[in-house]
Amino acid sequence: EVQLVESGGGLVKPGGSLRLSCAASGFTFSNAWMSWVRQAPGKGLEWVGRIKSKTDGGTTDHAAPVKGRFSITRDDSKNTLYLQMNSLKSEDTAMYYCTTDGWSWGQGTLVTVSS
Amino acid sequence: QSALTQPPSASGSPGQSVTISCTGTSSDVGGSKYVSWYQQHPGKAPKLMIYEVSKRPSGVPDRFSGSKSGNTASLTVSGLQAEDEADYYCSSYAASNNLDVFGTGTKVTVL
Repeated sequence: EVQLVESGGGLVKPGGSLRLSCAASGFTFSNAWMSWVRQAPGKGLEWVGRIKSKTDGGTTDHAAPVKGRFSITRDDSKNTLYLQMNSLKSEDTAMYYCTTDGWSWGQGTLVTVSS
Repeated sequence: QSALTQPPSASGSPGQSVTISCTGTSSDVGGSKYVSWYQQHPGKAPKLMIYEVSKRPSGVPDRFSGSKSGNTASLTVSGLQAEDEADYYCSSYAASNNLDVFGTGTKVTVL
């Protein structure tokens, strides 16, 4: 069974940094394209970015609102996906989900950016 | 990348059908075979219901179907059931910039 477990969320001040993790199991993580999706409280889904498998180049793409501030990486030896978030803004407050490019989803980790 | 446009709400009685539209551009919906639909119940993670415009993952009832015409994709839920009451989101891959974009979301109410 595919399992995705996010962690690392919490309260952070504007301008601060946070690193989210997503521990994966139940599938061959190294072959999977992985994505982060967020959802602000009471709002819709917003795609954050994607990282391809290393065999497909391992490249990343990030949505415009986070480009240059957020960075997606992966550690295939640990079956773990990461989202490094820098220069956080109040509008980054959201539940952050990791997903196997839409197929399976974690339960999310909440990030709150507030002073 | 602007969000795809969905109607804010849709409704139907049990047993009826409801169709949700998802309008984008030729750069995303119109030019992509990678259009997906997700169902999200309150407080839960999204669930993939349709992928590649009209394909259903294993376990998704055949009451759910997807289609596309031009820059607009559609999700039809036939034989509405109480458990279908949820928020639905479309998404599309845009090959022009390798980015994905979600729709604005539609709340489906079963009357």
